[in-house]
Amino acid sequence: QQQVKQSPQSLIVQKGGISIINCAYENTAFDYFPWYQQFPGKGPALLIAIRPDVSEKKEGRFTISFNKSAKQFSLHIMDSQPGDSATYFCAASWRGSQGNLIFGKGTKLSVKP
Amino acid sequence: DTAVSQTPKYLVTQMGNDKSIKCEQNLGHDTMYWYKQDSKKFLKIMFSYNNKELIINETVPNRFSPKSPDKAHLNLHINSLELGDSAVYFCASSQDPSGGAYGYTFGSGTRLTVV
Repeated sequence: QQQVKQSPQSLIVQKGGISIINCAYENTAFDYFPWYQQFPGKGPALLIAIRPDVSEKKEGRFTISFNKSAKQFSLHIMDSQPGDSATYFCAASWRGSQGNLIFGKGTKLSVKP
Repeated sequence: DTAVSQTPKYLVTQMGNDKSIKCEQNLGHDTMYWYKQDSKKFLKIMFSYNNKELIINETVPNRFSPKSPDKAHLNLHINSLELGDSAVYFCASSQDPSGGAYGYTFGSGTRLTVV
């Protein structure tokens, strides 16, 4: 119930291609779905987030697509660049969770030049 | 002007020792956390403090004890270190305990290696 399942575990994309990472959840109480980006030796950093009242949110080359009925959400990185190479984590929480942000297991993205 | 700072960045110690990791945030956030990232990169919450009060205490051994002297600091003390404690420990803070609005701000992590 508390899990967020993330796939794929690793992803290799050519420069200029589209990177797609998927996540699924079961707990319908979740109402906040952020994505974090982590570079080696650094802490995760908030990339983009969505609440379930919208089906899509776009910020620059990064888009979250959200399917409430399927309990799935995904991150699309358009025109992927080598500098996007990092580990990406989806996460979920709910109001009143008192801080328990549940993370997926991460996807290591490599963008080849 | 680092937002969330942790010290030390690296910590190598022998089994059975006691060690502490310090965390400070200058963002004025009310809530602070400790997360553990294992060798497979999985991030799991250990503790959450809101305004110096313990809010979340996930299933971690009693050997781990957080201490919050004020709302800008959250330290982690670990007694009788074991090999399995080797991991990267991240401190984080947020204004909204559920992580909404502006999300969590993480420190750069402390890589603990127990030998």
